[in-house]
Amino acid sequence: AQKITQTQPGMFVQEKEAVTLDCTYDTSDPSYGLFWYKQPSSGEMIFLIYQGSYDQQNATEGRYSLNFQKARKSANLVISASQLGDSAMYFCAMREGWGFGNEKLTFGTGTRLTIIP
Amino acid sequence: DSGVTQTPKHLITATGQRVTLRCSPRSGDLSVYWYQQSLDQGLQFLIQYYNGEERAKGNILERFSAQQFPDLHSELNLSSLELGDSALYFCASSVGVNQETQYFGPGTRLLVL
Repeated sequence: AQKITQTQPGMFVQEKEAVTLDCTYDTSDPSYGLFWYKQPSSGEMIFLIYQGSYDQQNATEGRYSLNFQKARKSANLVISASQLGDSAMYFCAMREGWGFGNEKLTFGTGTRLTIIP
Repeated sequence: DSGVTQTPKHLITATGQRVTLRCSPRSGDLSVYWYQQSLDQGLQFLIQYYNGEERAKGNILERFSAQQFPDLHSELNLSSLELGDSALYFCASSVGVNQETQYFGPGTRLLVL
């Protein structure tokens, strides 16, 4: 079974609109962390936002927020007021467990977001 | 700029050859991670070092090896290269155990011909 599932291979969104990128995860460990990274066409991986499994509130970072629904095992990224520079691949990732040897990230297949002027 | 540096940016080599990819973590970070991004496998964790010691191993081939030096920079050695090793290789770093965020370098794009 896939640990991280991103069901939207590609999305087209009008500039200034909000966009939601879906991510579901699968783990039986009560302690985990969820991350979103952005990969522009230049190739680098840019950290956007983090949500811990014990965090009571949804994470927010500027225009980025994470809609964390623990019971549904989903961690959707919401980008408000999209900009042309938001066009990129977006990856959801998970760290399972805590402590020694449990820091590796497992990535989803990504969603390619294109912002239309 | 994440503060993680990787050299070289691009590498073109032939099958059967050996290459070394270099990574310098962010200042103060003790953990270094290597990931491979390829079209067929996606982004996969290869190996992690913490303060010079191997901490975790993922889907790393026996032809690949890595090490972390006393100054905390790390090298990933790829030998007997095959066409399928062509990929983008990322190094990431974090402060250490239980620190949440890994910051990625710009990657080394390897093309094996």
